[in-house]
Amino acid sequence: KAGVTQTPRYLIKTRGQQVTLSCSPISGHRSVSWYQQTPGQGLQFLFEYFSETQRNKGNFPGRFSGRQFSNSRSEMNVSTLELGDSALYLCASSDQGETQYFGPGTRLLVL
Amino acid sequence: QKEVEQDPGPLSVPEGAIVSLNCTYSNSAFQYFMWYRQYSRKGPELLMYTYSSGNKEDGRFTAQVDKSSKYISLFIRDSQPSDSATYLCAVGDSGAGSYQLTFGKGTKLSVIP
Repeated sequence: KAGVTQTPRYLIKTRGQQVTLSCSPISGHRSVSWYQQTPGQGLQFLFEYFSETQRNKGNFPGRFSGRQFSNSRSEMNVSTLELGDSALYLCASSDQGETQYFGPGTRLLVL
Repeated sequence: QKEVEQDPGPLSVPEGAIVSLNCTYSNSAFQYFMWYRQYSRKGPELLMYTYSSGNKEDGRFTAQVDKSSKYISLFIRDSQPSDSATYLCAVGDSGAGSYQLTFGKGTKLSVIP
């Protein structure tokens, strides 16, 4: 099976802009989770979607949002970008939710 | 107190050494435990997954969980230069039907030839 794919791989934005990241899970997986990884905070949970419904959400401001489509592909959106949003954004795919397989990530730089 | 504590290292060992990586966690509600390996500029790769206390072995890797002490370990035997990476422990719970992993900050390992 093909692994988790994320697009784009790299992105440069300026403060105040918004960004949309995309994740295609492993075929047959219905759960998609998003994480933010920074050197200072490590990997932090953003949210999880299962069958198009958000099941869980981490402690991030409302500027961070996501959605999942009927084919299980997911997008996350960050509005009004801040410098501190520079990070590696990782998507993880799972059948039911426990065993999570990560994609390569999207590296976002906010200038 | 952070939910998952992991010594960030860096840890440097000679090739062939036994490596011990450790994490402690604070919440007894965590039900499953994982170790991921992350190479530079890559996404984390699942190494080991266990649900109960005790040992689980896979090749050169052994994961150990002690729920009574809230302590998890990963042992790497006969370490190789290709094992040089950051190792992340993760603990998970499935409360209310939702799944969430909480990660340690990772231990950077270098295996010197």
